Amino acid sequence: QVTLKESGPVLVKPTETLMLTCTISGFSLSSPRMGVSWIRQPPGKALEWLAHIFSDDEKSYSTSLKSRLTVSEDTSKRQVVLTMTNMDPVDTATYYCARVYPYVTMVQGVVPLYYYGLDVWGQGTTVTVSS
Amino acid sequence: DIQMTQSPSSLSASVGDRVTITCRASQSISSHLNWFQQTPGKAPKLLIYGASILQSGVPSRFSGSGSGTDFTLTISSLQPEDFATYYCQHSYSSPPSLTFGGGTKVEIK
Repeated sequence: QVTLKESGPVLVKPTETLMLTCTISGFSLSSPRMGVSWIRQPPGKALEWLAHIFSDDEKSYSTSLKSRLTVSEDTSKRQVVLTMTNMDPVDTATYYCARVYPYVTMVQGVVPLYYYGLDVWGQGTTVTVSS
Repeated sequence: DIQMTQSPSSLSASVGDRVTITCRASQSISSHLNWFQQTPGKAPKLLIYGASILQSGVPSRFSGSGSGTDFTLTISSLQPEDFATYYCQHSYSSPPSLTFGGGTKVEIK
């Protein structure tokens, strides 16, 4: 069974650095094209994609938050870690991690075409930024 | 960056209604478009990937269509459990970025 679980502080102060951990089970980030994404959702607002890391250690970040984000993997612990610097009250949100799964279809029966979907999500962890 | 715009932002419908939600990308994303359903207090659930491919276990009343910049999610006969917020998301480029649309809340009429 594939599961992901987020953990980290419930409350952080403005200007502090947030570190969140996503512990994965039932799959491996060593599998080709597999990845883990971080997504957040402020109260009552839309989902916002933050970052992801793929099996070949390729990383990608939201353009608007790139300067504040770092994503890394601890393979031995089966964990993906997100750090966000210089936290602000507007960063108050539920933070989710999710598996990025590579769905493959064959074009003309020969050429593989990959679609990437967030197929399994963690339950989310709520982070409040306040002094 | 590719921007995703959903419309409407909310709609009211009755059980049994046919519901259509649209999503527009700021540039062509081929068929690299996903749809999610989110109910209050829960994590989103993947409904459709590749613009039109139903995720395993998702009821067949859900369907997706479109390619390029314009996409549609259709619920053929709205059920009580379908009242939720729906998000589109693109997964274009390599490695893919996964920008979400602003969401469409489907409410009971």
